[in-house]
Amino acid sequence: KNQVEQSPQSLIILEGKNCTLQCNYTVSPFSNLRWYKQDTGRGPVSLTIMTFSENTKSNGRYTATLDADTKQSSLHITASQLSDSASYICVVRPGGSYIPTFGRGTSLIVHP
Amino acid sequence: ETGVTQSPTHLIKTRGQQVTLRCSSQSGHNTVSWYQQALGQGPQFIFQYYREEENGRGNFPPRFSGLQFPNYSSELNVNALELDDSALYLCASSLDGSRNQPQHFGDGTRLSIL
Repeated sequence: KNQVEQSPQSLIILEGKNCTLQCNYTVSPFSNLRWYKQDTGRGPVSLTIMTFSENTKSNGRYTATLDADTKQSSLHITASQLSDSASYICVVRPGGSYIPTFGRGTSLIVHP
Repeated sequence: ETGVTQSPTHLIKTRGQQVTLRCSSQSGHNTVSWYQQALGQGPQFIFQYYREEENGRGNFPPRFSGLQFPNYSSELNVNALELDDSALYLCASSLDGSRNQPQHFGDGTRLSIL
């Protein structure tokens, strides 16, 4: 069964600090992995996408990494801002299928 | 460029009723996917429509049905509503059915079943 596990479930950090969110998946065969940011009451917004051959992708202060051998990904947020408070969701799309598997998300709270 | 819009934003129904949720895709997008997101959970894929045809379905019963119109807008219909159907229903559109195309999400319809 295809699964995506994210950790931690929630995280509280101070403004200006860095943090790293984790995503482990068992989806096979693998097509691509996306990280989404979902603000409260809003739809998810794509941050990064990585395919099998890519092991790092940046989008401003967000940097995602992918280790396709260990089936792990991380999202690193640098110099956090209050607006980074949101849920971050890891999504893996299998090859040969249109059905993506979503993780439950990590809830990030950035305090001033 | 108009983004994905969903209506209504909130809806309250009772068990056994039927509901129709609507989604207008982003301009130029011909693929629409629907998701159910329970509180504190990640979205669950319901189905996808590409050029008016369903081309992928998740693990949802037949009482969840959909439609895509020639202008690529879409409807999600749910019959015989159950308490567990209470959730945020998200619609996402993309340029085509390709797996690498980014999906653009609407802000969802919050459905509450009493």
